[in-house]
Amino acid sequence: AQSVTQLGSHVSVSEGALVLLRCNYSSSVPPYLFWYVQYPNQGLQLLLKYTTGATLVKGINGFEAEFKKSETSFHLTKPSAHMSDAAEYFCAVSPRGGSQGNLIFGKGTKLSVKP
Amino acid sequence: DAMVIQNPRYQVTQFGKPVTLSCSQTLNHNVMYWYQQKSSQAPKLLFHYYDKDFNNEADTPDNFQSRRPNTSFCFLDIRSPGLGDAAMYLCATSSGGPTLGAEAFFGQGTRLTVV
Repeated sequence: AQSVTQLGSHVSVSEGALVLLRCNYSSSVPPYLFWYVQYPNQGLQLLLKYTTGATLVKGINGFEAEFKKSETSFHLTKPSAHMSDAAEYFCAVSPRGGSQGNLIFGKGTKLSVKP
Repeated sequence: DAMVIQNPRYQVTQFGKPVTLSCSQTLNHNVMYWYQQKSSQAPKLLFHYYDKDFNNEADTPDNFQSRRPNTSFCFLDIRSPGLGDAAMYLCATSSGGPTLGAEAFFGQGTRLTVV
C-alpha cells in the first residue's frame, strides 16, 4: 500500500533562511506527488505537484520540490523564508493508473518562521 | 472565481443530534471528497463520489453518510455525533480521479464542535 512519511512534525527557521521540508514515499512505482499548505482554520491549497517530466517542480509562493526516484523523495524547499510562510505543510501521494486509489496525506509538518 | 464552498464554516451540535454539512462547487468537477481532519493530524478520507458512484472507505463509521444530488452539491450527514467526531471536515473536488494525477481543490472546511 502507498504511504508517505514526512520527517519532522515541526520545523522552525529564521526569516530569510532556507526552508527544507522532507517527504519520502514508499511504493515500487513512483506515485503522483503533491505538496499542500494549510493555514490555521483554512482548507488545503496546492503548492505544487509532480506528475511527469522535469523532476524539479516550481510552485506558488517561491516553493519548489525535486522528485528523486533513487531516494523515493519529494522534498519541498524555499530559498528564503518569509513570515507569511508559517503554516502546516502536507505531502501527499496518489497511485498512477488503475481505477482505485486515493490521495494519501503525510502527517504534516508545521513550519514556524522566527523574525 | 470557480471554487469549493463549504457551509457553515463553524457548526456546533449536540451529542447525538443529527447534523448535515454542505459543500458546493462551481468547478464542474466529477469527483467530490469528504475528509475528516482532527487537531494536528493529516486529513483522513471518509468517502468520495466519482460522478454518481459512491465510494466508502473501509474504516469510515456507519454514523457517517453522504449524498450527492447533483454535480454541484455534496452533503455529509452525521447521524448521531459523538464527542470523538469533533473535527474539521474538508470537502474537495477533482477533475478525474487521483490515479490520473488530478489535484484536489479544497473548500475552507467546516469546524464541527459537539457539546
